[in-house]
Amino acid sequence: DAKTTQPPSMDCAEGRAANLPCNHSTISGNEYVYWYRQIHSQGPQYIIHGLKNNETNEMASLIITEDRKSSTLILPHATLRDTAVYYCIVRADYGGATNKLIFGTGTLLAVQP
Amino acid sequence: GAVVSQHPSWVICKSGTSVKIECRSLDFQATTMFWYRQFPKQSLMLMATSNEGSKATYEQGVEKDKFLINHASLTLSTLTVTSAHPEDSSFYICSARPRIDRPSSYEQYFGPGTRLTVT
Repeated sequence: DAKTTQPPSMDCAEGRAANLPCNHSTISGNEYVYWYRQIHSQGPQYIIHGLKNNETNEMASLIITEDRKSSTLILPHATLRDTAVYYCIVRADYGGATNKLIFGTGTLLAVQP
Repeated sequence: GAVVSQHPSWVICKSGTSVKIECRSLDFQATTMFWYRQFPKQSLMLMATSNEGSKATYEQGVEKDKFLINHASLTLSTLTVTSAHPEDSSFYICSARPRIDRPSSYEQYFGPGTRLTVT
């Protein structure tokens, strides 16, 4: 699976949009971009995933560049409860296969009041 | 839906003893479960993958005789840390993947984690 690069930490003001970047320059055509987050001392939580089109759900939006070498996770109105480590993971999805999620170091997002 | 539980949430044991951690998928059947370990201020490290009814596949560097994994049913996997030592103290997290014939079968749902302290 392709390796990802994320900034180690970011700050965001409460109520503002948080934009978390991720580089995955070696991504291949069948690999998806997944985002998870981990609030301190809890298990990771799925946020969103996409292949090449932009995706949006009730938690966030995922913007993937046309060449798919990078992506941005957008939390439109960050709250204090969004303070967490955010992981960008690239993984191929094969029907019926055992696909592993390999976590990198992630980005610690600190939402400031 | 898609809830995964772990038991216990935390445990303290003495060096040399064994500890069993349970991972259950509460509202779905999971053909595959994963076990991770996380040390303070570090990322999650995948330890092993278990498929129901078969032997677990361990990641490189993980001792299979020390970390025994059993996936006896579609809703339960257990991790037993045998002869635990202080260096095994860590946060252990499981995740479960729904059966492949279910929508969103590519997703993984994580448990809340178990904090193990070996004294």
